[in-house]
Amino acid sequence: AQKVTQAQTEISVVEKEDVTLDCVYETRDTTYYLFWYKQPPSGELVFLIRRNSFDEQNEISGRYSWNFQKSTSSFNFTITASQVVDSAVYFCALTQDTGRRALTFGSGTRLQVQP
Amino acid sequence: DAGVIQSPRHEVTEMGQEVTLRCKPISGHNSLFWYRQTMMRGLELLIYFNNNVPIDDSGMPEDRFSAKMPNASFSTLKIQPSEPRDSAVYFCASSSRPRLAGVRETQYFGPGTRLLVL
Repeated sequence: AQKVTQAQTEISVVEKEDVTLDCVYETRDTTYYLFWYKQPPSGELVFLIRRNSFDEQNEISGRYSWNFQKSTSSFNFTITASQVVDSAVYFCALTQDTGRRALTFGSGTRLQVQP
Repeated sequence: DAGVIQSPRHEVTEMGQEVTLRCKPISGHNSLFWYRQTMMRGLELLIYFNNNVPIDDSGMPEDRFSAKMPNASFSTLKIQPSEPRDSAVYFCASSSRPRLAGVRETQYFGPGTRLLVL
């Protein structure tokens, strides 16, 4: 069975602060895929990043960066110099290499960036 | 390019009525997924199609729910009869054919349909 845990239910920061959203996952598969999605107040789910289990390189995209560590089964997401527009619910998700193609989502972390 | 299109965006209906949600996947994508989001259960897969064929419907709650994909560019999720506990946001997502066998492609989500059953 797969499981994704986002222990932080809600985080509130002031604009320009850095913030890290935690994601811990469980899977028995040796090959799997991890994702982050953003759900702004308007409700849609926006894809942010996909990471394959065999690629442990961290990634940076503008103010966003992701730290993938297989040793601790974590895939954390950092926003540098947060902005009000970053306010949203962020979901970490996992899918396995074989069998069922469903995304297993974490419960989400609500990020509030105050001006 | 147009993303995944869902209609209606909002639906309010009375218990017992039939509800039909519609989805148009991204052109060229061959896999389509229906998810439901509730406060209690979060995001969960209901059913997915590959090349218009239902592959896994183990997430469909009960016989009141049915889904079809008559062609590559259209899918429906029907609830008949609807009940208040069906109130949720229903998302459709699509993904392309994997370039490599066994590789999982990214699922791109539509804007969702917010359903309220009174």
